[in-house]
This record gives sequence, structure tokens and C-alpha cells, in this order.
Amino acid sequence: GAGVSQSPRYKVAKRGQDVALRCDPISGHVSLFWYQQALGQGPEFLTYFQNEAQLDKSGLPSDRFFAERPEGSVSTLKIQRTQQEDSAVYLCASRVTGLDTEAFFGQGTRLTVV
Amino acid sequence: KQEVTQIPAALSVPEGENLVLNCSFTDSAIYNLQWFRQDPGKGLTSLLLIQSSQREQTSGRLNASLDKSSGRSTLYIAASQPGDSATYLCVRGSNYKLTFGKGTLLTVNP
Repeated sequence: GAGVSQSPRYKVAKRGQDVALRCDPISGHVSLFWYQQALGQGPEFLTYFQNEAQLDKSGLPSDRFFAERPEGSVSTLKIQRTQQEDSAVYLCASRVTGLDTEAFFGQGTRLTVV
Repeated sequence: KQEVTQIPAALSVPEGENLVLNCSFTDSAIYNLQWFRQDPGKGLTSLLLIQSSQREQTSGRLNASLDKSSGRSTLYIAASQPGDSATYLCVRGSNYKLTFGKGTLLTVNP
């Protein structure tokens, strides 16, 4: 596809349920990021991949959060035993490579934990 | 902690006005500064990217400037239109991380 694609667009989970959020980056993009955006706030960094290597996961809020990118393309963010405070928009971004190139964002997945 | 601050948090203007959105950041060791637009329920649309070696970028009615020494960037919107209403996010790129401001909510009234 032409842009970064995320699915599902919306997810409602019952508290305690596990969820998996998918990101399809732009083809050929080496770098992939996940961000969390709470209501009324700017996005906050969660984790960063360069190809299949997860180089930084310092932003993951707890060990219930896990991200992978096994083949260096599609990435999945998994949240185990969801809590209400996990409700947010989860944004995925990719860029071709390098530190000075433009980042492209997907439309995000809005997660609501009830 | 690397921080990005955007002022004002919200701005309401009549159609046709020229306006400036401000962004300040700590740590001048940046690679680039990117401005995004976010519409409700939608993702982020990249508006302008300024490399650390550049001082400004222009696209249509938008002009973004970067002053690394003072840690500031501005986004200038000329002849604002109701369709410009959105949240504008300033994003500092350093190393591989992107650090976001909280955004400026712009409303352009017809």
C-alpha cells in the first residue's frame, strides 16, 4: 500500500482481555515505531524497530506490553490483561531509514478498555 | 528529559488571518523538526520537515522555521481557511526518537 496501515481501527476490550494491534509499514521502510496517544495529549514513544531488531523498548509502560516485528516488515503490538489505563490511540510510524528522514504515521488504533 | 513545548495550546482565529504557532525544545542536538497535522479520529499528516542544517521550509501557505541555537521552531500559516482547523503537532527528531509536543488546537472560523 501507499501508506502505513493499521488494524483494527477501533478495538473495544473487556478488562483483562488480551489484544493484538497490527501495523503494516510502507514497503521497504527500515524503521518502525509505536506510539501511545492518550486523550488530549501528544503521542508518547513506546518502542522502536530497525528491521526485525527491537532496539529500544524503553517506552513500554509495563511488562504487559510486548511488540514484535519478526520478518522486518509487519509489526504487532500485544497488550496482555488489558487495564482501563491502556485506553488510548496506538500509532505506528515508519521511515525509510536514517535519522533525518521523514516519518509517516498510520491512522492509529483506538483501544477502549471497558 | 527531552521536552517539546507548544504555545498556545489552543487558538481561534477568523478566516483569512495569518497566524504563527510556536514550538520550543530542549537540547539543540536534533536531526530534524517535523510539523504534523492531526484531524479528529484520524492519523498524523506530515506537513513540513526541516533538517537540522536548514532554517526553513515552505509548502503552499505554510512556512516552518528552525532556530537550533535558541531551540525554537515556528509554523506560519498564511490566509487561514476553515479547512485548516486541526491540531498541529511539533515533533523533534533526535537519534531515532521522535518527541512530540502536546499540540496546538487551531480553529479557523468562517
